[in-house]
Amino acid sequence: SQQGEEDPQALSIQEGENATMNCSYKTSINNLQWYRQNSGRGLVHLILIRSNEREKHSGRLRVTLDTSKKSSSLLITASRAADTASYFCATPKHSRLTFGEGTQLTVNP
Amino acid sequence: EAGVTQFPSHSVIEKGQTVTLRCDPISGHDNLYWYRRVMGKEIKFLLHFVKESKQDESGMPNNRFLAERTGGTYSTLKVQPAELEDSGVYFCASSRLNMGGDEQYFGPGTRLTVT
Repeated sequence: SQQGEEDPQALSIQEGENATMNCSYKTSINNLQWYRQNSGRGLVHLILIRSNEREKHSGRLRVTLDTSKKSSSLLITASRAADTASYFCATPKHSRLTFGEGTQLTVNP
Repeated sequence: EAGVTQFPSHSVIEKGQTVTLRCDPISGHDNLYWYRRVMGKEIKFLLHFVKESKQDESGMPNNRFLAERTGGTYSTLKVQPAELEDSGVYFCASSRLNMGGDEQYFGPGTRLTVT
């Protein structure tokens, strides 16, 4: 079974709109992390939410975690063209991170 | 503080050739990880070093892949001989702590194309 499955797989919005991406996982976790990958670049850590937290904010990012449903969401408010990237959730197991296939977000100017 | 660096950024080789990827972790980070993303699919774990020791290499796909971290500083990942399905982006990450979820800092990746 695969951890960290994101939906939608692709999302296209207009600049200024909000973007919501969802992630589901299957096993118990200590924390859940969101990463971004811009085209041709490396992975950038966005935010980490611990299992005892329900919501966390960082700038224009808002992450929620529902451990009862084993799901998380990432909300990007007031999106910008520069937010165009692939977004991944990742869950740690032992010391490794398990990623999903990601959501490709396109923000049109 | 310098981040994780990887070399080369791109590599194009023919099937059957050998390629060696290098990763320099953040100074002082004992934990070093290799991941790869193949054909736009999910990013998959390959292996984990703690200093110079292989802590977990269960993600290595086969014996054509050899990772080393002599001296516990930089690491190399050699693919020999390369096959078409090895094409993808290889990421290296490092972390200070190994506590099942300490933030891992990723490098820019090496894009490998096997033709």
